[in-house]
Amino acid sequence: AQSVTQLGSHVSVSEGALVLLRCNYSSSVPPYLFWYVQYPNQGLQLLLKYTSAATLVKGINGFEAEFKKSETSFHLTKPSAHMSDAAEYFCAVNVNSGYSTLTFGKGTMLLVSP
Amino acid sequence: KAGVTQTPRYLIKTRGQQVTLSCSPISGHRSVSWYQQTPGQGLQFLFEYFSETQRNKGNFPGRFSGRQFSNSRSEMNVSTLELGDSALYLCASSLYGSGEETQYFGPGTRLLVL
Repeated sequence: AQSVTQLGSHVSVSEGALVLLRCNYSSSVPPYLFWYVQYPNQGLQLLLKYTSAATLVKGINGFEAEFKKSETSFHLTKPSAHMSDAAEYFCAVNVNSGYSTLTFGKGTMLLVSP
Repeated sequence: KAGVTQTPRYLIKTRGQQVTLSCSPISGHRSVSWYQQTPGQGLQFLFEYFSETQRNKGNFPGRFSGRQFSNSRSEMNVSTLELGDSALYLCASSLYGSGEETQYFGPGTRLLVL
């Protein structure tokens, strides 16, 4: 069975600082990997996804993530944080090409201070 | 294109009652998945429907059920509500429900069981 671990339930950064949100997965088969963001009282919005093409994936709002098979990681980064980036971020994995079944990590709340 | 819509947005029920939640996918999408989000368990997969057939089911008791109609709209039902069923219920849609596809999430239905 697949699983996703997000290190740190809360991450605090200053505006303009680097954002790094960590995600490690376990899977016996090549996975599809996703990062979603959730703002208060809203659903989930896709930031980016890895589907076995380029290992460095660029997403919306300046976010990117790198798939590292040897480290089973898919960390999310953004060079410079904005106040509007404050939200909860979820890493998810799908190992079944035939079904849309996402297994999510517990989420990381990103706090951005001025 | 309109996004995924869910009704109602908020619901209060008492223990022992049953509830039906509705999800209208993005036009043309044939796969609808349901997830439960709670502070303790995080985001958990409930079930997925494609062309009116349940293709996959998560680890939830039989009190949780769903269906999909010919227009791809989906409903989920929870019978004999328990306090622990209080959660945000999210539905997501995609074209074919394949593993690498982006799932587009609705805003959710927040259910409170008293």
